[in-house]
Amino acid sequence: DVKVTQSSRYLVKRTGEKVFLECVQDMDHENMFWYRQDPGLGLRLIYFSYDVKMKEKGDIPEGYSVSREKKERFSLILESASTNQTSMYLCASSFPPEGSSYNSPLHFGNGTRLTVT
Amino acid sequence: SQQGEEDPQALSIQEGENATMNCSYKTSINNLQWYRQNSGRGLVHLILIRSNEREKHSGRLRVTLDTSKKSSSLLITASRAADTASYFCATDATGTSYDKVIFGPGTSLSVIP
Repeated sequence: DVKVTQSSRYLVKRTGEKVFLECVQDMDHENMFWYRQDPGLGLRLIYFSYDVKMKEKGDIPEGYSVSREKKERFSLILESASTNQTSMYLCASSFPPEGSSYNSPLHFGNGTRLTVT
Repeated sequence: SQQGEEDPQALSIQEGENATMNCSYKTSINNLQWYRQNSGRGLVHLILIRSNEREKHSGRLRVTLDTSKKSSSLLITASRAADTASYFCATDATGTSYDKVIFGPGTSLSVIP
């Protein structure tokens, strides 16, 4: 079974702090994603990566950056945390389907609930 | 704007009853996926149906896809208390600069024992 591990379940940070959210997957997946989930808004894509050292902006990248130095690890960075970044953050990974760039099932971690005060 | 929207937003049923959730989307898709999320946890993939498929089954789950109406339904038969969760449909967005999965806001299902 694929295991996607997010380093923290709950995190409380102060406004202006630099925050690192870590995600590790153990199935050699090419694709990794960071989403945030807010009530009534569903999941929104922040950043994704199709390969090591590669990153692409999702729908809401402002205020975030990412790092993928190793295939199994994808880090989300909040450069200067703000209260509107209080949210549930979900990391996911997937393996591209053979012969296609289209979607295969996403495997999610259990999420990090971040509170910025 | 969101590609997929689930309906209803919330559903409450008795154990043993069937639960039906619907998803509508706006643009052409390659496939549609359904996910479940238990409270405070990550999402779990349930089923993927491709645009050239009309129906798919997995255990007590039945998913239909009507591309002419741009809609899908998820049916859970003989529901159990353990089915209490939020259910999301997710569609790919073809025609954008990259392929990505877009999630709807979800249906919250409560199964009362």
